[in-house]
Amino acid sequence: AQSVTQLGSHVSVSEGALVLLRCNYSSSVPPYLFWYVQYPNQGLQLLLKYTSAATLVKGINGFEAEFKKSETSFHLTKPSAHMSDAAEYFCAVSGMDSSYKLIFGSGTRLLVRP
Amino acid sequence: GAVVSQHPSWVICKSGTSVKIECRSLDFQATTMFWYRQFPKQSLMLMATSNEGSKATYEQGVEKDKFLINHASLTLSTLTVTSAHPEDSSFYICSASSDRGYYNEQFFGPGTRLTVL
Repeated sequence: AQSVTQLGSHVSVSEGALVLLRCNYSSSVPPYLFWYVQYPNQGLQLLLKYTSAATLVKGINGFEAEFKKSETSFHLTKPSAHMSDAAEYFCAVSGMDSSYKLIFGSGTRLLVRP
Repeated sequence: GAVVSQHPSWVICKSGTSVKIECRSLDFQATTMFWYRQFPKQSLMLMATSNEGSKATYEQGVEKDKFLINHASLTLSTLTVTSAHPEDSSFYICSASSDRGYYNEQFFGPGTRLTVL
């Protein structure tokens, strides 16, 4: 069985500050891991994904995430927050099988203060 | 590449009527499509998975007779909410994936806001 836990339903940072959104996963098989961003009343946009290649994954808009197997974590970071980063962020896990089913975390709303 | 569209983007209907939502993969062949439901300020809940030409597989607790899913071609899936009621009001999002080189990635549509009066 797979699951994802996102710590912190809301994270507030100042513009220019470091962004850290936490994600821990549970999987009985080697996982694929994803971070998605959702703006109000829109679908999900893929930020980055881990597919068992490099453990440090770089994504769009300056985001990156590091896969740490020993900690079962896949935290999302960005060195300097921008106002346009304010959105809902979802971590998701998928098994390395043909089902392609994604299990989503509960989401973290990022607030960026001017 | 890998664009998914949904139509309509929003719909308002009266209680008891049926509503059809279309999900299309515009530039790739989607061997699998997924339908999600999202309540305000909540995460996405998978409703069902459909493979082209096969019956959809519904998640536990989802009424298959109420949420009819058809995946008739490799580029189109439809979700029909039958006899809609106010509690069916929600944001419905589809996604599509392909077994041809996308590494388990799902591509999401922009969502459809359903309001049942």
